[in-house]
Amino acid sequence: ETGVTQTPRHLVMGMTNKKSLKCEQHLGHNAMYWYKQSAKKPLELMFVYSLEERVENNSVPSRFSPECPNSSHLFLHLHTLQPEDSALYLCASSQDLRPYEQYFGPGTRLTVT
Amino acid sequence: RKEVEQDPGPFNVPEGATVAFNCTYSNSASQSFFWYRQDCRKEPKLLMSVYSSGNEDGRFTAQLNRASQYISLLIRDSKLSDSATYLCVVNARDDKIIFGKGTRLHILP
Repeated sequence: ETGVTQTPRHLVMGMTNKKSLKCEQHLGHNAMYWYKQSAKKPLELMFVYSLEERVENNSVPSRFSPECPNSSHLFLHLHTLQPEDSALYLCASSQDLRPYEQYFGPGTRLTVT
Repeated sequence: RKEVEQDPGPFNVPEGATVAFNCTYSNSASQSFFWYRQDCRKEPKLLMSVYSSGNEDGRFTAQLNRASQYISLLIRDSKLSDSATYLCVVNARDDKIIFGKGTRLHILP
């Protein structure tokens, strides 16, 4: 498989559930990112990892917890989410840290009920 | 001034026409500029990087105007498949990447 993959593609969860989003990149990149895209809003950068080390956390609530076990994999652990967290969650990778071109996965469309 | 600003549109353009839109940025120290394309309910995809000298890729031309702090995207001979949202991306302070809200383009048959 090539590029950036994400699973699941769709997720519906209740506010008390715990779930995880998975991202895998097959591009040999060193940097990975989590973005949130809500309707009628620009992409919001959530987390940045470079060589498995978190280098940025943009004031994201603690109910979102990232994990980067190696340079090819990135997870976003979710717990006690709110309905306003419903959005498209996009993973991206780039050769190195910004400002290199980023390549996005297809996203996980999350609905919190 | 917002860090990255785009006209949200929509731009409704007949097939075959030429369309152009701009993106303004506030940080005069920005060095990297990109245009991404996002189809409805899909992920953004890199369309082209924008170089100081401008660059062209087929029907698409991107230009940078440092003096006025904007980048532009020109699409010639527009196709129905060009309908999408076009996102402007600029590196801002501390080398952060900032995405614009996007410009929606509808090509009309």
